[in-house]
Amino acid sequence: AQSVAQPEDQVNVAEGNPLTVKCTYSVSGNPYLFWYVQYPNRGLQFLLKYITGDNLVKGSYGFEAEFNKSQTSFHLKKPSALVSDSALYFCAVSPRGDKIIFGKGTRLHILP
Amino acid sequence: DTGVSQNPRHKITKRGQNVTFRCDPISEHNRLYWYRQTLGQGPEFLTYFQNEAQLEKSRLLSDRFSAERPKGSFSTLEIQRTEQGDSAMYLCASRPTGGVTEAFFGQGTRLTVV
Repeated sequence: AQSVAQPEDQVNVAEGNPLTVKCTYSVSGNPYLFWYVQYPNRGLQFLLKYITGDNLVKGSYGFEAEFNKSQTSFHLKKPSALVSDSALYFCAVSPRGDKIIFGKGTRLHILP
Repeated sequence: DTGVSQNPRHKITKRGQNVTFRCDPISEHNRLYWYRQTLGQGPEFLTYFQNEAQLEKSRLLSDRFSAERPKGSFSTLEIQRTEQGDSAMYLCASRPTGGVTEAFFGQGTRLTVV
């Protein structure tokens, strides 16, 4: 079955520290991978994607993610967290570019 | 505004009533997706269209739910005989054919069944 796992319901990070939000996936073939962010009462906003090529992809607001095929992971990272990064983050996978399957989300709290 | 538009933004209905939501995708996007999201959870896939063709429908979608995209442009999602468990945010997204691009989401329609 195709699925996305975000093992942490919540991640707390002090402002200025690096952050990591974990994601693993289970799909056949070479998937397309995405990260989205959701602020309260807002729609989902695209952050970054991996389609092919370099395993480290850079996206909006200073975020980046590392694709690891052997570990089937696509962790989201940022070198220095901001309080404004506090939000709900979703990892998603699109097998063969068709439907998009989302993880349950990780709430990120950046502490001042 | 050339983004994905959803109407209405909020809908309160009594249990047993029918409701219909509309989604207007970005104009050149062939693919259109519907998701359901409950509080604190990830978007749950419901169905998606390639132009007017409904390509996949989730097994979670009961026969009370139906979606259409008659002319390959806007789409409607209808829920018949609503139940309290249908209360959720219903999200629409669109994407160009090919799938290598991200999907663009609307603001959603929040349904409350009382």
